[in-house]
Amino acid sequence: DIQMTQSPSSLSASVGDRVTITCRASQYISSYLNWYRQKPGKAPRLLIYAASSLQSGVPSRFSGSGSGTDFTLTISSLELEDFATYYCQQSVSFPLTFGGGTKVDIK
Amino acid sequence: QITLKESGPTLVKPTQTLTLTCTFSGFSLSTNGLGVGWLRQPPGKALEWLALIYWDDDERYSPSLNSRLTITKDTSKDQVVLTLTNMDPVDTAAYYCARGSGWRTPDFDYWGQGMLVTVSS
Repeated sequence: DIQMTQSPSSLSASVGDRVTITCRASQYISSYLNWYRQKPGKAPRLLIYAASSLQSGVPSRFSGSGSGTDFTLTISSLELEDFATYYCQQSVSFPLTFGGGTKVDIK
Repeated sequence: QITLKESGPTLVKPTQTLTLTCTFSGFSLSTNGLGVGWLRQPPGKALEWLALIYWDDDERYSPSLNSRLTITKDTSKDQVVLTLTNMDPVDTAAYYCARGSGWRTPDFDYWGQGMLVTVSS
């Protein structure tokens, strides 16, 4: 199985901050990396697919980059609705695996 | 508008079999490249993928649960059913169904609201 490691596991930030979350795969996954945001008590929402493609309807403050084993999700200017937990997921091979999550809370 | 919704029991006893149904609308599971998957999330923990079934009846399972899982589809009813046998308290989790797109390298672009299943005697 491909292990996905996210860092940090949590961070504190303020509205308007630029936030960066990283995800590392245990082996090469090309660009088969997806990012989700999950608000408390809600289902995850797809933000970025194929490492850098913005899902339809997702605000442009979200961006993704990386390929191979190292990936980044950036939120250019944090808004209130972005205080949530973020997950990466590899889709290059089965079993599909997720990172452990990064919780973004209010400083 | 694409929607998915999970249904089934919210409480099961240890050793029982859990059967969950995902009823969806706004797309067809006969469309090339699409699938419907099941995922779960124990309280306070990360997401875990369980199973996925494709438009062409290809089934994929998590190896750690493979012997306990079965996924089926009824295209005429727009439903996907997951069964998980021999339930244990560690299987307590929110269970989600989601649409898988991207052919054999799926992301999950639409999700159901999820349902909490508790395993307790």
